[in-house]
Amino acid sequence: EAEVAQSPRYKITEKSQAVAFWCDPISGHATLYWYRQILGQGPELLVQFQDESVVDDSQLPKDRFSAERLKGVDSTLKIQPAELGDSAMYLCASSLGRGTGGRLFFGEGSRLTVL
Amino acid sequence: QKEVEQNSGPLSVPEGAIASLNCTYSDRGSQSFFWYRQYSGKSPELIMSIYSNGDKEDGRFTAQLNKASQYVSLLIRDSQPSDSATYLCAVGGGSQGNLIFGKGTKLSVKP
Repeated sequence: EAEVAQSPRYKITEKSQAVAFWCDPISGHATLYWYRQILGQGPELLVQFQDESVVDDSQLPKDRFSAERLKGVDSTLKIQPAELGDSAMYLCASSLGRGTGGRLFFGEGSRLTVL
Repeated sequence: QKEVEQNSGPLSVPEGAIASLNCTYSDRGSQSFFWYRQYSGKSPELIMSIYSNGDKEDGRFTAQLNKASQYVSLLIRDSQPSDSATYLCAVGGGSQGNLIFGKGTKLSVKP
């Protein structure tokens, strides 16, 4: 079965450094999501792309976070500078269609630890 | 702010028992409802989806939806130790447009 690819799986960085995560969704999936999951909490949507366009980034801390999906395929999420409170699992997901009626397929996640 | 509420647990049941997990949501316009299972340190995986009132069964899992009460539940029959995980309720299609997750209920099935 096709999978959502994410890298790196684990990242340890120091406060104020820059961090980047990469995601390659399932081929043909138009919608891509970045979620942040703090330990003991549910996933929280950071940004949603439909093809190369941002559909929702209302919860993305834009002073330090940025996301792009230039060709409507793979995507990068960047944090600069990283803060202690950014320690979390960053999950990428994709879905075939538009909106939230469809099933989300999650990648294995990128666990970030900020020291 | 649209919300999805779950009891964080832990919910502990003996092997072979029925585990009942509950979820309430605030957005009356929500149209799609999902249960994801998440093992410790892993990503969520979809186990059930439900879109209309009533029950939907898939093997040992039954999802129940009551839109009037804004309530969705998951029953796991003949619980196994391998069912021990956190179960996330997710609700979508409402006015907020995206999928909202609850904080999850941690289930522990004791042998």
